[in-house]
Amino acid sequence: DAGVTQSPTHLIKTRGQQVTLRCSPKSGHDTVSWYQQALGQGPQFIFQYYEEEERQRGNFPDRFSGHQFPNYSSELNVNALLLGDSALYLCASRMTPEQTGELFFGEGSRLTVL
Amino acid sequence: DQQVKQNSPSLSVQEGRISILNCDYTNSMFDYFLWYKKYPAEGPTFLISISSIKDKNEDGRFTVFLNKSAKHLSLHIVPSQPGDSAVYFCGISNFGNEKLTFGTGTRLTIIP
Repeated sequence: DAGVTQSPTHLIKTRGQQVTLRCSPKSGHDTVSWYQQALGQGPQFIFQYYEEEERQRGNFPDRFSGHQFPNYSSELNVNALLLGDSALYLCASRMTPEQTGELFFGEGSRLTVL
Repeated sequence: DQQVKQNSPSLSVQEGRISILNCDYTNSMFDYFLWYKKYPAEGPTFLISISSIKDKNEDGRFTVFLNKSAKHLSLHIVPSQPGDSAVYFCGISNFGNEKLTFGTGTRLTIIP
């Protein structure tokens, strides 16, 4: 049973560029969330996707956008990259209507902005 | 405004002893509390949870305690094993709410 998979695992971009990160949820899961983990910090909630719609959003600017596909996979897009966007981006999935809050996380995509 | 605080960035414990990790929160409306463990180069993995209607939950060597009046959460690991060396995050949410608010983490090192 495949868990949450993310790609790419590492990437380097320069300021002003755009990046797309990808996530496939755990088998049987249809809800995907994205978190940003800066160095020395805990993961911070970016947004959640369910039924191909953004259902909830954290305190992130509009430069951060996403998409969910019919197969439940998801993308995170970040435009006009800033140095401060350097972080580990974690994708998490769960099976609705699971209400316990337990999320299954991928290994993350480490983004470095130069 | 940090809603969830883990005031100890690191903790070292002798193998076989008890490890106690702490977490404080500010919003009394939270009703679901979780602990996650993270190894290097891996995503966080769920460890144990507790709802606000309980004050204790056990799962093998792991016990989570919740003190609602003090807005304090703790994780006890006993006995501690070398494989427990990892970064531990407390995460807090509300039932039915996707958003988890995490603390900054505590790096636990078990000394053989």
